[in-house]
Amino acid sequence: EPEVTQTPSHQVTQMGQEVILRCVPISNHLYFYWYRQILGQKVEFLVSFYNNEISEKSEIFDDQFSVERPDGSNFTLKIRSTKLEDSAMYFCASRWSEQFFGPGTRLTVL
Amino acid sequence: AQKVTQAQTEISVVEKEDVTLDCVYETRDTTYYLFWYKQPPSGELVFLIRRNSFDEQNEISGRYSWNFQKSTSSFNFTITASQVVDSAVYFCALGLTNSGGSNYKLTFGKGTLLTVNP
Repeated sequence: EPEVTQTPSHQVTQMGQEVILRCVPISNHLYFYWYRQILGQKVEFLVSFYNNEISEKSEIFDDQFSVERPDGSNFTLKIRSTKLEDSAMYFCASRWSEQFFGPGTRLTVL
Repeated sequence: AQKVTQAQTEISVVEKEDVTLDCVYETRDTTYYLFWYKQPPSGELVFLIRRNSFDEQNEISGRYSWNFQKSTSSFNFTITASQVVDSAVYFCALGLTNSGGSNYKLTFGKGTLLTVNP
């Protein structure tokens, strides 16, 4: 069964460093998303992406964040200068009709 | 503004008991979607069901059933004859479409931690 994959599963970085989280959506899906979940809290929407552009973003998704689909398969989330409060689980999702989520990348900012 | 409330933070049951997880949502939109996702201890989010706002039919899938009531803005989830493997955090989510109507983002509730004891 096709699934969304994410790499790495865990990323540790120093505050102020740039990180890139990678996702491979399900191949025939057209819409792509990033969500995050701070430990013990609810899942929050960050951004949606369709037709090679952002279709919607939340207040959390400020200028430090960017997304890209550099080729036909990968979908990336970049955080330019990480802060302590960026520590969270980041989920990628893709959809045809339902949103299917990847296993997540746990980002730890020290 | 949209909001999803899962008033039950934690529920603990003994195996084979039935359990209902409550979900209440708020939105001014007339077209929306409702979802349940399961997050087992391994951390992934597993899709369980989607309902659209025009379809109030209840649904049963094996031991799982869902009760959608627009009059009370509720979308409750019942597990019949619970099993230890049902132990997880369960999230209810509301999907609102964008202005073009082709895309939607999910607003999640805070989740209910269900523990099923043997």
